[in-house]
Amino acid sequence: DAKTTQPNSMESNEEEPVHLPCNHSTISGTDYIHWYRQLPSQGPEYVIHGLTSNVNNRMASLAIAEDRKSSTLILHRATLRDAAVYYCILRDVDDKVIFGPGTSLSVIP
Amino acid sequence: NAGVTQTPKFRILKIGQSMTLQCTQDMNHNYMYWYRQDPGMGLKLIYYSVGAGITDKGEVPNGYNVSRSTTEDFPLRLELAAPSQTSVYFCASSNDPYRETQYFGPGTRLLVL
Repeated sequence: DAKTTQPNSMESNEEEPVHLPCNHSTISGTDYIHWYRQLPSQGPEYVIHGLTSNVNNRMASLAIAEDRKSSTLILHRATLRDAAVYYCILRDVDDKVIFGPGTSLSVIP
Repeated sequence: NAGVTQTPKFRILKIGQSMTLQCTQDMNHNYMYWYRQDPGMGLKLIYYSVGAGITDKGEVPNGYNVSRSTTEDFPLRLELAAPSQTSVYFCASSNDPYRETQYFGPGTRLLVL
C-alpha cells in the first residue's frame, strides 16, 4: 500500500512561511502526490498536487524531493484562515484514495 | 454546476433504524467515494466506485452498503444503525483520482442514539 507519514501537529506565526513535510517512501513511479486541507467543520478541499516537478498555485507551493520519497507543502505567508488539518495522500494499490491522520496546523496571531 | 451535494445535512437515528445517505454529483465523474470522520479523527474510506455498476470496499465497510446505478448518484445505506456509526459522512467524486482533485460534498452529520 502507498502510505504517507506526517507530523501530528505544527505551529506557525501569522505572516510567516510554513513548511509542512510528508514522507512517502513506498511511492510508486506513477503516483501523484496530492495535498488537501480541512478547515474546522468543513469538508476537505484541494490544495495542490504534483508528480515530479515542483508546483505552484495561488494557494501554495509543492516541493518534491528528487527521489520522490518526500514532499513539502509550502504556505508562503500563513494567515489565521490557514489553520486547518493538512493531508498528504497517494492512491492505494487499486483505485482507493486513503487519507492519513494529517497535520493539524495552528497559526498564532 | 452544483458540484457534490449530500442530503440530509443532519439526522438523528435510533439504534437499529435504517437510513440512506444521498450523494449526487453533476460533473459526470466516474469515481465516487464515501468517507466517515469521527470527532477529532481523520477520514476513513467506507466504499468507493469507479463507475456505474461497480463498487468496492474501503477501509471500514462493515455496517454499510452502497449501490451505483447511475453516474450521478452514489447512495450509502446504513442497515442497523449502531452508536459506533455516529460520525460525519463525506461523499466525494473525481474524474481521475491520480491526476486530478477530488471534490467533496458538505457532509452529513449522523447521530445514533
